[in-house]
Amino acid sequence: EAQVTQNPRYLITVTGKKLTVTCSQNMNHEYMSWYRQDPGLGLRQIYYSMNVEVTDKGDVPEGYKVSRKEKRNFPLILESPSPNQTSLYFCASSFGGGLGEQFFGPGTRLTVL
Amino acid sequence: QQPVQSPQAVILREGEDAVINCSSSKALYSVHWYRQKHGEAPVFLMILLKGGEQKGHEKISASFNEKKQQSSLYLTASQLSYSGTYFCGTVLPGAGSYQLTFGKGTKLSVIP
Repeated sequence: EAQVTQNPRYLITVTGKKLTVTCSQNMNHEYMSWYRQDPGLGLRQIYYSMNVEVTDKGDVPEGYKVSRKEKRNFPLILESPSPNQTSLYFCASSFGGGLGEQFFGPGTRLTVL
Repeated sequence: QQPVQSPQAVILREGEDAVINCSSSKALYSVHWYRQKHGEAPVFLMILLKGGEQKGHEKISASFNEKKQQSSLYLTASQLSYSGTYFCGTVLPGAGSYQLTFGKGTKLSVIP
């Protein structure tokens, strides 16, 4: 089954404790991206990757890191999480970058205390 | 820059029609439309490309006015299953066209 998977689905952590949210897709998409969703603000792009080893900042990259060492994986790293990073995070992938249908993962709900 | 969606929320009775608008202050290359049901991930509805035709998907269709940098999503004879939050996403012309920026969403509630 073609899908985007994210882990963990739910995470509660404390300020400053480094964490990684994994994202994997099995559709051989070259483009992957991360979004955060907050009430009333919609989906805001954090980072995107056009292909392996090629990444770029989205609209809200502060406090996040990403890496793209393999085509199928695009982990999101929070090196020192803060409470304002409490949010619902979605990973997405597509052919054709921003011009292609985006396939979203199920989401990761992160709470930083 | 986020596109602006209107209205922010709308309540319909089954069978009624609705229009959701998406506008940008910048020239657009393409517009996406997605629907998100509560507790789920957004799901693709359609893409409209610059110079392309109006798209349709059963009773949901959309148009793209390049001159006004606007897109509209039309939902006709709404069903209960249409309830959810609708997002438009825009891509600006330029090298790569890789960045997709979503609006804040329009919450649609269809009641019996």
